[in-house]
Amino acid sequence: EAEVAQSPRYKITEKSQAVAFWCDPISGHATLYWYRQILGQGPELLVQFQDESVVDDSQLPKDRFSAERLKGVDSTLKIQPAELGDSAMYLCASSFAPTASYGYTFGSGTRLTVV
Amino acid sequence: GESVGLHLPTLSVQEGDNSIINCAYSNSASDYFIWYKQESGKGPQFIIDIRSNMDKRQGQRVTVLLNKTVKHLSLQIAATQPGDSAVYFCAAGKTIFGAGTRLFVKA
Repeated sequence: EAEVAQSPRYKITEKSQAVAFWCDPISGHATLYWYRQILGQGPELLVQFQDESVVDDSQLPKDRFSAERLKGVDSTLKIQPAELGDSAMYLCASSFAPTASYGYTFGSGTRLTVV
Repeated sequence: GESVGLHLPTLSVQEGDNSIINCAYSNSASDYFIWYKQESGKGPQFIIDIRSNMDKRQGQRVTVLLNKTVKHLSLQIAATQPGDSAVYFCAAGKTIFGAGTRLFVKA
């Protein structure tokens, strides 16, 4: 079964440092999403890509967060500088189309701890 | 703005019983609604979805009901099993998730 790959699985970083997460969606999925899930809460959408273009980044804290999907395949989410409040699970999901009727396929996430 | 919430943060059921997880939403413009299951340390996993022009959809051991009049969504799990223990989220389209309902299944 096809999976969304994410790495690293866990990341510990000091505040004010830069950190990056990588996501490889399911082959053929044009739509890619990054979510942040704080412990005990539901996932919050940070950014949505359609191919290589950002179509929704309204909830992305753009002063410190950036995301790219240069070739419309894999994607990187970066935080610089990291803050203590950024500690969370960062989930990547993909779908064949933005209005996928079978929901999105999520990766296992990157657990970020900022110390 | 959009908001989707769950009525109960925690639900405990006996193995073999049926479970019902509820969700209220405020944005009726969503084209579809999705239920996800999230186990500890994993990403959400699609369970079932329902289009906004439907009021019921059945899957394997799961049924989703949509009441657009009162903007309510529910997930029914038949013969709940220990493997069903997880956090369940409802979603309206791509962006709205409640805090989730944690389902405990007692053996």
